[in-house]
Amino acid sequence: GESVGLHLPTLSVQEGDNSIINCAYSNSASDYFIWYKQESGKGPQFIIDIRSNMDKRQGQRVTVLLNKTVKHLSLQIAATQPGDSAVYFCAENTYAGGTSYGKLTFGQGTILTVHP
Amino acid sequence: KAGVTQTPRYLIKTRGQQVTLSCSPISGHRSVSWYQQTPGQGLQFLFEYFSETQRNKGNFPGRFSGRQFSNSRSEMNVSTLELGDSALYLCASSGAGALTDTQYFGPGTRLTVL
Repeated sequence: GESVGLHLPTLSVQEGDNSIINCAYSNSASDYFIWYKQESGKGPQFIIDIRSNMDKRQGQRVTVLLNKTVKHLSLQIAATQPGDSAVYFCAENTYAGGTSYGKLTFGQGTILTVHP
Repeated sequence: KAGVTQTPRYLIKTRGQQVTLSCSPISGHRSVSWYQQTPGQGLQFLFEYFSETQRNKGNFPGRFSGRQFSNSRSEMNVSTLELGDSALYLCASSGAGALTDTQYFGPGTRLTVL
């Protein structure tokens, strides 16, 4: 079946460093990609999204890059802070008429740990 | 604006029982999606409701069902609980459930089946 993302990897960084979290997706027809952050005991929190007709999108301290050629998505976090420690998920949706309604396909997630 | 709320936050049930979980979307949102999160399978889509109609469904057995009310609040029900149903159940709301509508998640209901 379709899948997004890698097996749950971990990333440890020092406070102030830049972090890069990667995600591979398998569906070349994917139209829309989102990054979520999930802290312990909480639901996923929206970070940033990007459509398939874009290569890059920037937010506050975050940048998402999309490489459709190799079906790769990355999230860059600038000046990482301890409060950024969480599990990060990439997710995608594909326009397919009714079967796309409200359905996100998630990757397995990456654990980011930021050391003070 | 209040976020997505889910009740109860924690549930303990035994095998064979049934359970009902509730989700109140963000005010004005009409689409509610449900997801199951487990360590082994990650986040998996269960179903989506809009205007009291189920528009989309994931690959889960018929024991998993849901409904939506006229005020967009949604419930999901799991009958004949199995040990493998232990999970965090998340609901997310969006304006209309369209492709690029951002889904906002609630804190989840942690279900433990003994």
